[in-house]
Amino acid sequence: NAGVTQTPKFRVLKTGQSMTLLCAQDMNHEYMYWYRQDPGMGLRLIHYSVGEGTTAKGEVPDGYNVSRLKKQNFLLGLESAAPSQTSVYFCASSSTGGSGEETQYFGPGTRLLVL
Amino acid sequence: GQNIDQPTEMTATEGAIVQINCTYQTSGFNGLFWYQQHAGEAPTFLSYNVLDGLEEKGRFSSFLSRSKGYSYLLLKELQMKDSASYLCAVKDSNYQLIWGAGTKLIIKP
Repeated sequence: NAGVTQTPKFRVLKTGQSMTLLCAQDMNHEYMYWYRQDPGMGLRLIHYSVGEGTTAKGEVPDGYNVSRLKKQNFLLGLESAAPSQTSVYFCASSSTGGSGEETQYFGPGTRLLVL
Repeated sequence: GQNIDQPTEMTATEGAIVQINCTYQTSGFNGLFWYQQHAGEAPTFLSYNVLDGLEEKGRFSSFLSRSKGYSYLLLKELQMKDSASYLCAVKDSNYQLIWGAGTKLIIKP
């Protein structure tokens, strides 16, 4: 049981380049999330999905797109990277998103540097 | 707006007790979470409170007062491995987690 995995672990991009971050979970969770974590700030939600084929915007969606074609995978795309997107990106999943002790399980993170 | 405040950094001694405070102002409340995050790693779940009072889990306890918008995480018998950041997060009326910036806890021998 691998839990939540992320690919790649680290990437350097030049301004204007594009890339896709892949998140995979093997817990059969319905909900998946993409966060970014920057120094001195809390985790900020970029996009999330409440099930296969659905996506929704979070707090900071600009400059990112997502897709959830398969239940176990959640992709985060950067079409034209900017230095402001330098961050650590975490994917998370939960069985549901409703009330109660619905814990989010996190992947190991992707460290992205945009030059 | 929504806001969660925690101290940026705390220092404590191995074997001692430390209390990490969290105050929050959110649109709605559906529970408060504490996560632990070691440097360079993913956050991992520690505790959940939805009703007022104290929840105890071994060396860790978490307290909640909804009327005061306040929680704390209490760590007893500190060990060097407890050196980490501790993240407070509140589930708001839309069931989204709002995160504090985290408290970096430094344990000294």
